[in-house]
Amino acid sequence: ETGVTQSPTHLIKTRGQQVTLRCSSQSGHNTVSWYQQALGQGPQFIFQYYREEENGRGNFPPRFSGLQFPNYSSELNVNALELDDSALYLCASSTRSYNEQFFGPGTRLTVL
Amino acid sequence: GENVEQHPSTLSVQEGDSAVIKCTYSDSASNYFPWYKQELGKGPQLIIDIRSNVGEKKDQRIAVTLNKTAKHFSLHITETQPEDSAVYFCAASDYGGSQGNLIFGKGTKLSVKP
Repeated sequence: ETGVTQSPTHLIKTRGQQVTLRCSSQSGHNTVSWYQQALGQGPQFIFQYYREEENGRGNFPPRFSGLQFPNYSSELNVNALELDDSALYLCASSTRSYNEQFFGPGTRLTVL
Repeated sequence: GENVEQHPSTLSVQEGDSAVIKCTYSDSASNYFPWYKQELGKGPQLIIDIRSNVGEKKDQRIAVTLNKTAKHFSLHITETQPEDSAVYFCAASDYGGSQGNLIFGKGTKLSVKP
């Protein structure tokens, strides 16, 4: 059974640019959640996708957007990057909308 | 909305001792409480979870207790080993409710000294 994978592992961008992060869910999982983890903090919920539709959103501005594909993989897009967007972005998959969530290794984004 | 408080922020124990991490939550609708272990440079790993219809759950050296009345839950690690050193996060969600997202505490850095 393949676990949750994310790409890329590290990314450096400059302020104002746009970024796309990718996540492949664990085999058999149909729900993907994205979290932002600032240094020294717990993960914060960005949004969740279930069967290709957004199924809940945290307190993040619209420049954070996402997609889920028919194979349940997902993308997180962030437009107009700000310095405060520098963080570890985590993807978690689960078997249905509200079940145990298993995390990937994350993408470390640095905004200069 | 839900708020999760976690204590202590750092914990240092000798190998073989027990470690206890405590969390409180604010939303009485929360009914699912997982614990995650995060090692440096890695994503959080689910180590144990408990649902609100259960008061205690144990898995080898790890146990979790839940007090719904007081809205707090705790992680107990017995016979600690150096490989238990990591950051531990508690979380809460209203599993099956309007949103299934996890609300995390700020983490506890556990150091186990050989």
